[in-house]
Amino acid sequence: AQSVAQPEDQVNVAEGNPLTVKCTYSVSGNPYLFWYVQYPNRGLQFLLKYITGDNLVKGSYGFEAEFNKSQTSFHLKKPSALVSDSALYFCPMNRDDKIIFGKGTRLHILP
Amino acid sequence: DSGVTQTPKHLITATGQRVTLRCSPRSGDLSVYWYQQSLDQGLQFLIQYYNGEERAKGNILERFSAQQFPDLHSELNLSSLELGDSALYFCASSVGGDASSYEQYFGPGTRLTVT
Repeated sequence: AQSVAQPEDQVNVAEGNPLTVKCTYSVSGNPYLFWYVQYPNRGLQFLLKYITGDNLVKGSYGFEAEFNKSQTSFHLKKPSALVSDSALYFCPMNRDDKIIFGKGTRLHILP
Repeated sequence: DSGVTQTPKHLITATGQRVTLRCSPRSGDLSVYWYQQSLDQGLQFLIQYYNGEERAKGNILERFSAQQFPDLHSELNLSSLELGDSALYFCASSVGGDASSYEQYFGPGTRLTVT
């Protein structure tokens, strides 16, 4: 069965420190993997997408994600967190042609 | 600005009433998706239309219906409203019809409050 999971409901990081928001997957074939962010009182914004090719994908606002086939992970990373990165992050999955966003991971950047 | 517009921004109505939410996709996008976001349920997929035809259905209640018009804008109709229908309703659009392949662009949402 295909699945994508965000194992953490909340992540706290000090400003200036590197941040990681985790996403693990189990899909057959070549997966299309996405990250979205939702800032307070806003709609979701597309951050980045992995299709095939380069395992390191660069996205908006200085974020990047690494597709790791051996660990079946697609973690979102940023070298130096900003307070403005505090938001809700989603790594959606596709099941039966429906995109499942779930509850996401809430990232708190502490000043 | 994603290019996806939703109206109205806020809607307050009473139980038992019917409302219509409207969405205009980004220029060139053929797919429209509707989502409901609440604190306890997270972001739930309701329905997708592609070029006027229903493409996929999620957790959409029978009291809810949607359609996509020839100009590609979409409307979500919510009827016999209950207190539990209070939520943020998002519309998103994408170029293609395969939801697993194409990134979606979200509108600012409509906040529905049922009293």
